[in-house]
Amino acid sequence: QVQLQQSGPGLVKPSQTLSLTCSISGDSVSSNSASWNWIRQSPSGGLEWLGRTYYRTRWYSHYAVSVKNRINITADTSQNQVSLHLHFMTPEDTAVYFCARIPGGSYYWFDLWGQGSLVSVSS
Amino acid sequence: SDLTQDPSVSVALGQTVRITCQGDSLRGFFANWYQQKPGQAPVLVIHGKNNRPSGIPDRFSASDSGTTASLTITGAQAEDEADYYCSSRDKTNNHLVIFGGGTRLTVL
Repeated sequence: QVQLQQSGPGLVKPSQTLSLTCSISGDSVSSNSASWNWIRQSPSGGLEWLGRTYYRTRWYSHYAVSVKNRINITADTSQNQVSLHLHFMTPEDTAVYFCARIPGGSYYWFDLWGQGSLVSVSS
Repeated sequence: SDLTQDPSVSVALGQTVRITCQGDSLRGFFANWYQQKPGQAPVLVIHGKNNRPSGIPDRFSASDSGTTASLTITGAQAEDEADYYCSSRDKTNNHLVIFGGGTRLTVL
């Protein structure tokens, strides 16, 4: 059974970097079919896809336009984890952050989600 | 490229309801649909053309026409009351993913 377990701080100060980790069990972060995503949900409710990383003979990453200048998603193959790093945090980045898997296929659906991590940005 | 959903829809218990999602990206890519209940992570209910993951009741189905995708619940149950989101690949850069704003379904 594949599971995603998230960890990281619940409070970040403005201008600092948020780092969240998603530990994968039952699948490999280096899978040749899956990709590993970060999605957030603001207090107002909507879902926003932030980016993804995947391995296909080398590592690839793609990021949403809204955050592409301050985001990095990395994989740690030794720990079977994927991490989100979001720099220069502001109060508008307060949200619940989810990691999620796209299992493969042409239409990019998220079949597995982490439990979510509530992150507040405040001094 | 954006996906547009009605903010709220209501349905009488046992009746049929359609939730729609509109956007240019849907001309090239199927929508995927997620159900989210308060305090929980979203759950995939439909992916691709009209595929239900294991455990999703067959009262959930999907269809598409041009730039509009629809999620239909035939015989809505009280437990279907939730927020529903569509997503698809982004037509402007198909490595990216976009979400609709979500539809809150109320079962009366």
